[in-house]
Amino acid sequence: AQSVAQPEDQVNVAEGNPLTVKCTYSVSGNPYLFWYVQYPNRGLQFLLKYITGDNLVKGSYGFEAEFNKSQTSFHLKKPSALVSDSALYFCAVRADTGRRALTFGSGTRLQVQP
Amino acid sequence: EAQVTQNPRYLITVTGKKLTVTCSQNMNHEYMSWYRQDPGLGLRQIYYSMNVEVTDKGDVPEGYKVSRKEKRNFPLILESPSPNQTSLYFCASSLSNRAQETQYFGPGTRLLVL
Repeated sequence: AQSVAQPEDQVNVAEGNPLTVKCTYSVSGNPYLFWYVQYPNRGLQFLLKYITGDNLVKGSYGFEAEFNKSQTSFHLKKPSALVSDSALYFCAVRADTGRRALTFGSGTRLQVQP
Repeated sequence: EAQVTQNPRYLITVTGKKLTVTCSQNMNHEYMSWYRQDPGLGLRQIYYSMNVEVTDKGDVPEGYKVSRKEKRNFPLILESPSPNQTSLYFCASSLSNRAQETQYFGPGTRLLVL
């Protein structure tokens, strides 16, 4: 069975500082990894995904994520945080076998302080 | 504008009163899915559909039904709602069931069952 772990319920960072939101996964076969962001009272918005190739993936709003196969991790990063980045972030994995369900982590709330 | 729409956005009902949450997408996507979001659990898949008249159970299907009579619509039916179905529900769609396809989410439906 596939699974995603987001070990931090909340991450606090000062505006202008770099941020990291952690994600590790477990899946059979090749992993397809996604990051979504949820703003209050809104649906999930797609940020970026890893399919294959370059381990550093760039996405929307200046976010990037690094795929590390040996550590089974896909941490989300941004060089300089903005107050407007404050939201709930979800990591998700999808296998290329079976029913190909998207399995989500429990979410990490990012709080950027001015 | 390409989008996934859900109705209603908010719903309060009583135990046992049948309800339907509609979902519609205008992107000609083959794959559609329903998720529920609960605090600390992330999103869990309820049902999915790979195309018209093709539906299957996700991780938490008990108490739910779906249908896919047209490509654009994928309603979620609660025949006899119970309080443990109080949750935030999201519909999602993607071009196909290929693992690398991005799923796009609706704005969510917040359901309270008394």
